[in-house]
Amino acid sequence: AQSVTQPDIHITVSEGASLELRCNYSYGATPYLFWYVQSPGQGLQLLLKYFSGDTLVQGIKGFEAEFKRSQSSFNLRKPSVHWSDAAEYFCAVGARAAGNKLTFGGGTRVLVKP
Amino acid sequence: DSGVTQTPKHLITATGQRVTLRCSPRSGDLSVYWYQQSLDQGLQFLIQYYNGEERAKGNILERFSAQQFPDLHSELNLSSLELGDSALYFCASSDRDNYGYTFGSGTRLTVV
Repeated sequence: AQSVTQPDIHITVSEGASLELRCNYSYGATPYLFWYVQSPGQGLQLLLKYFSGDTLVQGIKGFEAEFKRSQSSFNLRKPSVHWSDAAEYFCAVGARAAGNKLTFGGGTRVLVKP
Repeated sequence: DSGVTQTPKHLITATGQRVTLRCSPRSGDLSVYWYQQSLDQGLQFLIQYYNGEERAKGNILERFSAQQFPDLHSELNLSSLELGDSALYFCASSDRDNYGYTFGSGTRLTVV
């Protein structure tokens, strides 16, 4: 069975500073990996996804993520955080063999200090 | 607007009651997924339908059921409601090849 761990429950970052959110997954084959963002009271919005190919993936809102098979990780980064990036971020793993079902991590809440 | 429509946005009901949550997927998407989001359990996969047929089942209670209709909209039925069923219920849809969900804005269910 697939699983996802996001070790950091909360992260506080100053506006303009860089941000890195950690994600570790467990899956027997090559996973499909995703990052979603959820603003308060909103649904989840897809930031980026990795299926295959280039291990550095670019997403929306200036985010990128790097797939590292050897570390079973898919960390999300942003070079310079804006106040509007305050939200909860979810990493997810999926597999076509599982009927496209996504398994989500517990989420990381990002607070942005002015 | 993500293209996935969920109604109602908010629902307050009493214990023991039954409610129906509705989801209209994005145009062209054949798959519908239901997730429950609560503070203690996080995002939990409930069930998936593909073109009217149940495709996968997750941590869905026996008191809960779902279906997908010929027009592809889906309904999640929650019965004998308990306080612990209070949560955000999300619907997501995807098409066959564009793997990755589009989420609706959710239905917040409060059981009192």
